[in-house]
Amino acid sequence: AQSVTQLDSHVSVSEGTPVLLRCNYSSSYSPSLFWYVQHPNKGLQLLLKYTSAATLVKGINGFEAEFKKSETSFHLTKPSAHMSDAAEYFCVVSRRFGNEKLTFGTGTRLTIIP
Amino acid sequence: GAGVSQTPSNKVTEKGKYVELRCDPISGHTALYWYRQSLGQGPEFLIYFQGTGAADDSGLPNDRFFAVRPEGSVSTLKIQRTERGDSAVYLCASSLSLGPNTGELFFGEGSRLTVL
Repeated sequence: AQSVTQLDSHVSVSEGTPVLLRCNYSSSYSPSLFWYVQHPNKGLQLLLKYTSAATLVKGINGFEAEFKKSETSFHLTKPSAHMSDAAEYFCVVSRRFGNEKLTFGTGTRLTIIP
Repeated sequence: GAGVSQTPSNKVTEKGKYVELRCDPISGHTALYWYRQSLGQGPEFLIYFQGTGAADDSGLPNDRFFAVRPEGSVSTLKIQRTERGDSAVYLCASSLSLGPNTGELFFGEGSRLTVL
């Protein structure tokens, strides 16, 4: 079994300040972890993924996430928020080998304050 | 088209009616997935296809739901005897190769189903 918990349903930051979106996972298997972003009226887009290589993963638009097995966490960060980052963010887990299902968290809505 | 196309974008129907939702994946993508996103929730897995066959349909909630992909390209999600609880956004995704661990999933914008 696998699941993810996104600790904040809504995060607000000022433009130019750091972003932190928190995610904890649970998996009976070696996990692959992803962050997806959903802008209004747009399809889900992959931001970054961790499969088994470097624990610090860099994605698009300046986002990065660090896989911490000891803490079962995969938090998403960005040094400086931009207005265009306002969207819904989903932390996602899947089983690394076999099982092709993605299990999504409930999402974190990121608001950027001008 | 360049991306995954889903039609209709919006569908309003009455309880008990039959509904079909269509997904046109990116050309050449062999893997196709259906997910359902209820209000305030993350997407939930329904079914995925590798080519024409359903590789895993364990997420379909009951036998009122059925999906086909007869020629290995376009897929149709079919819902019989719709219920109000079926109201959600139905998302389709495709991938060049099987599995999110190797191939990136590209999602469509979804079909919003409202059952009155």
